[in-house]
Amino acid sequence: AQSVTQLGSHVSVSEGALVLLRCNYSSSVPPYLFWYVQYPNQGLQLLLKYTSAATLVKGINGFEAEFKKSETSFHLTKPSAHMSDAAEYFCAVRNFGNEKLTFGTGTRLTIIP
Amino acid sequence: GAVVSQHPSRVICKSGTSVKIECRSLDFQATTMFWYRQFPKQSLMLMATSNEGSKATYEQGVEKDKFLINHASLTLSTLTVTSAHPEDSSFYICSALPRGTDTQYFGPGTRLTVL
Repeated sequence: AQSVTQLGSHVSVSEGALVLLRCNYSSSVPPYLFWYVQYPNQGLQLLLKYTSAATLVKGINGFEAEFKKSETSFHLTKPSAHMSDAAEYFCAVRNFGNEKLTFGTGTRLTIIP
Repeated sequence: GAVVSQHPSRVICKSGTSVKIECRSLDFQATTMFWYRQFPKQSLMLMATSNEGSKATYEQGVEKDKFLINHASLTLSTLTVTSAHPEDSSFYICSALPRGTDTQYFGPGTRLTVL
């Protein structure tokens, strides 16, 4: 069964600092991987996705993530945090041929002015 | 593109009543829609998968008679919470999978409060 682990339920970074949100997956076959962002009382917005093309994926709002098969990781990064990045971030995995998404527990990102 | 709407965004009802939540894909056809439930400060829990024209597939532990799902067309799925109780209070989010793609697009969610 596929699963996703997000290390760190809360991450705080200073404005302008590097953002690193960790995601490790468990899957028996090469998966599709997604990062979604959720602002308070809203649905989820797709940040980026990996679907077996380039291992370094660029998304919206300056975020990117790198698929590392050897480490079973798909960490989300952004070089310089902005106040508007404060939100909840979810990593999700989906196996090819299976429409369901399995979500991690989420990481709440706080930006310190 | 790929916009999903939900209606209502917020609903308060009395215990014992039924509530219907609509999920619409506005600019694409969705062969599959999903319904999730999210508790405060927690992740999304998949409740059911809805395919147009067929019965929904419920996840283990989700009461199909309590959470009625209808996928009447390629752009509309509805979730009806029947005989709602305070423990059904939650944030319900739908998503839609455009035909032939691999990415779910999410609605803005519906906050249900049962008094």
